[in-house]
Amino acid sequence: ETGVTQTPRHLVMGMTNKKSLKCEQHLGHNAMYWYKQSAKKPLELMFVYNFKEQTENNSVPSRFSPECPNSSHLFLHLHTLQPEDSALYLCASSQGGGGRYEQYFGPGTRLTVT
Amino acid sequence: AQSVTQLDSQVPVFEEAPVELRCNYSSSVSVYLFWYVQYPNQGLQLLLKYLSGSTLVKGINGFEAEFNKSQTSFHLRKPSVHISDTAEYFCAVSDSNAGGTSYGKLTFGQGTILTVHP
Repeated sequence: ETGVTQTPRHLVMGMTNKKSLKCEQHLGHNAMYWYKQSAKKPLELMFVYNFKEQTENNSVPSRFSPECPNSSHLFLHLHTLQPEDSALYLCASSQGGGGRYEQYFGPGTRLTVT
Repeated sequence: AQSVTQLDSQVPVFEEAPVELRCNYSSSVSVYLFWYVQYPNQGLQLLLKYLSGSTLVKGINGFEAEFNKSQTSFHLRKPSVHISDTAEYFCAVSDSNAGGTSYGKLTFGQGTILTVHP
C-alpha cells in the first residue's frame, strides 16, 4: 500500500449504529487530519493530530470521536449520527503541522446515514 | 480568520482552449496558497503551491498560478486543456505565521467544477 488509504470506501448506517472509519498513511508523516466534504459546501476541517496529539477540534459534535494510536493510523468513531452527517469523510496527512506542508489525501469514505 | 472565494462554481470549456479558474482570499496575516484537484471518486491531489519567492508558480499537468498580493488573488491557468482535466478544483490558504490561531490549518474555497468538452 502506498500513500493514504481509507476503509471502508462506502458505509451505510442507521442513526443508532456505531461504526468506525479507518485511515492509514504510509508516508512517514507526523500530522493527520479528518475533513468532512458535503455537497455544495467547502471542505470542513474536523480534527488535527500532530505526533499523535490532538491539536485541533473544530467544534465537532461529540457523536464524532477521533482516535490516533500512532502517527500512521487515525480512526473516526461514529455513534448516534444524524442524516445531515451524510458526507464524504476525507483523511489527510502531512510531514509536519505547519501550513507550508502539502497535505496528502486518501480517497475518502462515503457515509450515508439513514 | 481567513476565507477563500472561488468566483466560479462551474467552468465549461472546449478541449485545447485556455482556462482560468479564479480564486480570491482574505487574511489579516501572510499566507501560503494552494490549488488542489479532485477527480471523481478520489481524494484531493496537490496541483501547486505558493510559499514565497516568485509569484508565478508552475505545477503538475501544465497548470500554473500567479500570486497577486495587492489583489489578494491566486488564479489558476492552463493554456490548453484536455478531457482528462475534467475535475473539481479547490483553492486553499493557510496561515504562514507560526503561532497564529489558524497556523497549519487549510481553509478551502467551495470548489470549481471544470468540465472539458470535446
